Parts: sequence; structure tokens; C-alpha cells
Amino acid sequence: GENVEQHPSTLSVQEGDSAVIKCTYSDSASNYFPWYKQELGKGPQLIIDIRSNVGEKKDQRIAVTLNKTAKHFSLHITETQPEDSAVYFCAAPPWEGNKLTFGGGTRVLVKP
Amino acid sequence: EAGVAQSPRYKIIEKRQSVAFWCNPISGHATLYWYQQILGQGPKLLIQFQNNGVVDDSQLPKDRFSAERLKGVDSTLKIQPAKLEDSAVYLCASSWGGGTGADQPQHFGDGTRLSIL
Repeated sequence: GENVEQHPSTLSVQEGDSAVIKCTYSDSASNYFPWYKQELGKGPQLIIDIRSNVGEKKDQRIAVTLNKTAKHFSLHITETQPEDSAVYFCAAPPWEGNKLTFGGGTRVLVKP
Repeated sequence: EAGVAQSPRYKIIEKRQSVAFWCNPISGHATLYWYQQILGQGPKLLIQFQNNGVVDDSQLPKDRFSAERLKGVDSTLKIQPAKLEDSAVYLCASSWGGGTGADQPQHFGDGTRLSIL
């Protein structure tokens, strides 16, 4: 099955700086890579996703890049704000089967 | 649109007791998922329904966990008997169900936090 590793597990940044979280996956046929943000006491919220036919996708201060050759994808948050503080999860599906495998999560703390 | 609804939000039981969780997906979503999220970890899929049929239950501990999806809409997840290691947040998610399933955005509820004493 799919194996997804996420780094770092914690990330502390100063408000206004950028944050980058990286995930690697094992199934070279995976074709869909979502990122979720989870705030305390809430369920994961989809913030951005990318499909394997593109290398980069942006949505305001958030961007995701995909390197299929190296089997990794990254989340970039620019101009971080205190409300960006949360746990972020990446995920990837195996080519065969329907379930998403989630990374272990990155706890992001934005210091004002 | 209304999001995924789950109840109860919190549940505390003693080991060996039984417990049930309820989920109402987003209207029109054919695919429904139940995940278990242990503290400090990512969600792990327990079972996936497409309409009222099971697509994947390979990681569901079937000796104690059961789930059903009534008429392809609401779903319940039951644990009987509960063990200490079942302490976790149980998340329900839904997606519209097109394509292969996993490549469709999944929308999560806020989960039920289960504590086993």
C-alpha cells in the first residue's frame, strides 16, 4: 500500500515569514495530492490539492508543488499569519484502491 | 451548503461497553468514509461506503467494529466491546463519488472524541 512521510513534525515561524512542509510518497502511480488544515477540536479542512498532470498550483498565500520523478510534494505558505497556526496533513491515494493515506502531520506555530 | 454532521461530539465510556456514532454527509454525496484519528497522528481509514455498499473495510477491526449506511445517506459506526486503545477521534467524511473515489475532495465533519476509561 501507499506510504506517506511528512516533515517536519513541528514548525515555528515568525509572522510574515514563509513556511514549507514536505511529503514523500511511495506509489509512483498516485495521481492526487490534497493538503488539509486541522484546527484544535475541528475536523480536517481541505485547503488545496494538486493532480499529477500539473507541477504547481497557487491559491492566494498557499501553493503546492509536485515532483513526480522524486515522488514528493510540498506545501508553501507565504506571509504567514497567526491564524495559520494549526496542524497540516498531506495525503496520497494508491493507484489501486480508493483510500487516502495521510502523513503524520506538521504542527505549525506562527509567532506574532 | 451544510457540512458533514456528526454526533455526539464527545463520549466517555468504560472498557467493554458499547458505543455508537452517527454521521450525516453532505447532501448528494455518494461516498462516505469513517476515519480513526489517534492523538498526534493522521486520520486512518476504517471503512468506505459508495451509496449503501462497502468499498473498503480492510482496516476495520471487524471483531468489535461495525458500520452501516442506511439507504445510502446517514451512517452509524459502532464499537462493541470497547478497548482502551479505541480512545481516539472518529471522523466522518464524504465526497461526491465520481471518478476513482480517492481523487475526489473529501469533506470532514468535526468528529466524535471517544475516551475509554
